[in-house]
Order: sequence, then structure tokens, then C-alpha cells
Amino acid sequence: KQEVTQIPAALSVPEGENLVLNCSFTDSAIYNLQWFRQDPGKGLTSLLLIQSSQREQTSGRLNASLDKSSGRSTLYIAASQPGDSATYLCAVSPPSNDYKLSFGAGTTVTVRA
Amino acid sequence: DAGVIQSPRHEVTEMGQEVTLRCKPISGHDYLFWYRQTMMRGLELLIYFNNNVPIDDSGMPEDRFSAKMPNASFSTLKIQPSEPRDSAVYFCASNNPTGYTGELFFGEGSRLTVL
Repeated sequence: KQEVTQIPAALSVPEGENLVLNCSFTDSAIYNLQWFRQDPGKGLTSLLLIQSSQREQTSGRLNASLDKSSGRSTLYIAASQPGDSATYLCAVSPPSNDYKLSFGAGTTVTVRA
Repeated sequence: DAGVIQSPRHEVTEMGQEVTLRCKPISGHDYLFWYRQTMMRGLELLIYFNNNVPIDDSGMPEDRFSAKMPNASFSTLKIQPSEPRDSAVYFCASNNPTGYTGELFFGEGSRLTVL
């Protein structure tokens, strides 16, 4: 069974600092990996999706890398802002079934003004 | 598009009562998913549909849980009878397999409290 771990569980940084969020998974046979953002009381918003054949994806201040062989992904958020405060979750999908995502527990980020 | 729409946003009920949660997926999306989120277990996939047909319900915890999708624009998740341990946030999500990459679009969730 795929296990997804996110460390740390919580992170607090001053505004302007770069954020580094980690995600590890036990089974390297994945179809893709997604990073989501969840605001309190809200649903999940997809931030970045990396196919298993890719090494990284970028969107604005966000960059996600994937090292499938070691079972790791990192989400970088450059020049953090208070609006980046949220919980960030990663999820992987197995190649046998694209839709059964396994989610990590998330990292709750607080960016202090 | 209005996104995935769920109702009710909040539901408080007493143990033993029937609970029905509703979801309207994004128009044109062929896949619909029901997830449950709790502090203890995180996000769990309960069931998903393709073209209104249930494909995998292995995540449905017990026979007390049932889900239907009578048409492409509506799905329900029903719990009967409800129990306090069913308290959670239930999310509906959908996606469009055209040019499929796996991206899911989530609703804002239905927070269920069973007393």
C-alpha cells in the first residue's frame, strides 16, 4: 500500500523567506504526483501536477521537483507572502489506476507579516 | 464555470438519522469522486464514478454508506444510520479525462457532525 509522508507537519516563516515543503512516498511506481493547497474550511486547489516522466513543474513562484527513484518530491515557494499561508498536500496516483490518489497529511504553513 | 458545488456546507444531526450529501460536478467532467477528510485519517477516497457508473467503491467504510449518480450533473452520498464516528468533511471532486493528466477539481466540502 502506498504511504505518503509530509514533513514537517507545520512551518512558520517570516514574509519573504523561501519555503521548502517535502513529500515522500514508499512505492516509486507512480503515474503522477500532485501538490494541492487547502485553505481553512475550503476544498483543495490543485497547484502543480508532475507526470512520472517529468522532473519538475513550475508555475509563477512555485516549483515542484520529483525524484521518483528515491520516492521524493519537493515544493518550493519563492519569496513567501502572508497569502501563502495554508495547508499544502501532496498526492500520488498509481500507474494501474489513475484516479486512486494517496494523500499525505499535509504541511500547514504560516507566513508572518 | 461555477466549479464543483456541494450541499449542504454544514450538517449537524443526531446519531441514527439519515444524512444525504449532494454534489454537482463541473459540466463536461466524466469522473466524480467522493472523499472524506478527518484529522486522524486524512483524505480517503470513498468511491468514484465514470459516466455515472460506480467504478470503485472499495473505500466505502460500511454498508451504512451508499452513493448514487443518477445523471451526469448530480451525485449523492447517503449515510443511514449515521454514527458519531462519521463526523468528517466530505468532499466531492471531478475531472475531465480529455487530455487527461489527473488534475482533480474539488468542491468546498460538506462538514458533517453527528452527535
